[in-house]
Amino acid sequence: AQSVTQLDSHVSVSEGTPVLLRCNYSSSYSPSLFWYVQHPNKGLQLLLKYTSAATLVKGINGFEAEFKKSETSFHLTKPSAHMSDAAEYFCVVSSGSARQLTFGSGTQLTVLP
Amino acid sequence: NAGVTQTPKFRVLKTGQSMTLLCAQDMNHEYMYWYRQDPGMGLRLIHYSVGEGTTAKGEVPDGYNVSRLKKQNFLLGLESAAPSQTSVYFCASSYWTGRTDTQYFGPGTRLTVL
Repeated sequence: AQSVTQLDSHVSVSEGTPVLLRCNYSSSYSPSLFWYVQHPNKGLQLLLKYTSAATLVKGINGFEAEFKKSETSFHLTKPSAHMSDAAEYFCVVSSGSARQLTFGSGTQLTVLP
Repeated sequence: NAGVTQTPKFRVLKTGQSMTLLCAQDMNHEYMYWYRQDPGMGLRLIHYSVGEGTTAKGEVPDGYNVSRLKKQNFLLGLESAAPSQTSVYFCASSYWTGRTDTQYFGPGTRLTVL
């Protein structure tokens, strides 16, 4: 069994300040972990993924995430928020033979001017 | 490449009506998935397929059926729609190399059941 907990349902930051979106996971197998972003009324776009290589993963648009096995965490960060980052972010775990994804409930990021 | 496409984009049904949602991918992916997205709940897996002619149940399969007659297509059917099936439906496809995979999502279908 696998599960994902996104610790904040809403995060609000000012433009130019750092972003931290928190995610904890549980998985019986060696998981792959992903962050997806969804802009209003749009589909999901992959930001980055962890697949047991480097624990610090860099993604698109300046985002990165660090896999910490001891803490079962995969937090998403960005040094400086931009207005275009306002969206909903999903932490996702994948494992098992069919590579089923389990989604967290999402974190809505608001960027204030 | 068009990637993953979904037809239709929007649909309104009356309770008890039936419909089929079509998902198509042109990336030659073996795995295909159907999810539903409801407010505050993230995406939940309805059914999935690990290859042509195979299907399996996901987390929330009740009230839905699927078919994968061709590798590139994955159909989701609602035989008798209910208001609880009002949702946004996403299709995804992926390939598994043995080390890594990525699911690619379609744009979604917004379904309202009255």
